[in-house]
Amino acid sequence: DAGVTQSPTHLIKTRGQQVTLRCSPKSGHDTVSWYQQALGQGPQFIFQYYEEEERQRGNFPDRFSGHQFPNYSSELNVNALLLGDSALYLCASSLGAGGQPQHFGDGTRLSIL
Amino acid sequence: QKEVEQDPGPLSVPEGAIVSLNCTYSNSAFQYFMWYRQYSRKGPELLMYTYSSGNKEDGRFTAQVDKSSKYISLFIRDSQPSDSATYLCAMSVDSGAGSYQLTFGKGTKLSVIP
Repeated sequence: DAGVTQSPTHLIKTRGQQVTLRCSPKSGHDTVSWYQQALGQGPQFIFQYYEEEERQRGNFPDRFSGHQFPNYSSELNVNALLLGDSALYLCASSLGAGGQPQHFGDGTRLSIL
Repeated sequence: QKEVEQDPGPLSVPEGAIVSLNCTYSNSAFQYFMWYRQYSRKGPELLMYTYSSGNKEDGRFTAQVDKSSKYISLFIRDSQPSDSATYLCAMSVDSGAGSYQLTFGKGTKLSVIP
């Protein structure tokens, strides 16, 4: 039973560039949430996708955007990268509406030079 | 005041000790309470998931929720070196349209010394 998979595992970009991160949810899950984890901090909620629509968004600028595909996989896009965007980006999947437990992938570590 | 407060530690204990990890929160609307374990360079792994006040036990782990005090705890019995990790508490409430975003504490770094 495959868990949540994310790619790539590590990425290095420069300021002003754009990046796309990818996530495949756990088998049977249809909801994907994205979180940003800065060093030494807990994850911060970016947004959640369900039925290919953004259902909820955290306190992140619209440089952060996403997409969910019919097979429930998801992408996170970040434009005009800033040094402060350096972090571990985590994808979590869960089943349907309601407070079902969220299961995380190992993340993509994004470094901005 | 942050919504979820968690002592970042670090916490160092000898092997076999009982470990107590705690979080307090300010939003009385939180409905679901979770503990995650995160090893270095890995994603958070769900350990415990509870809804109501009271205790929930799973092997060496016991999660405790006290909604009246807005306080949750995780106890680890007979701690092992493999328990060395960062422990994150998390909580959720319906943010609207059935969306339950997780709000995390900063995490407590635990080291279990052989």
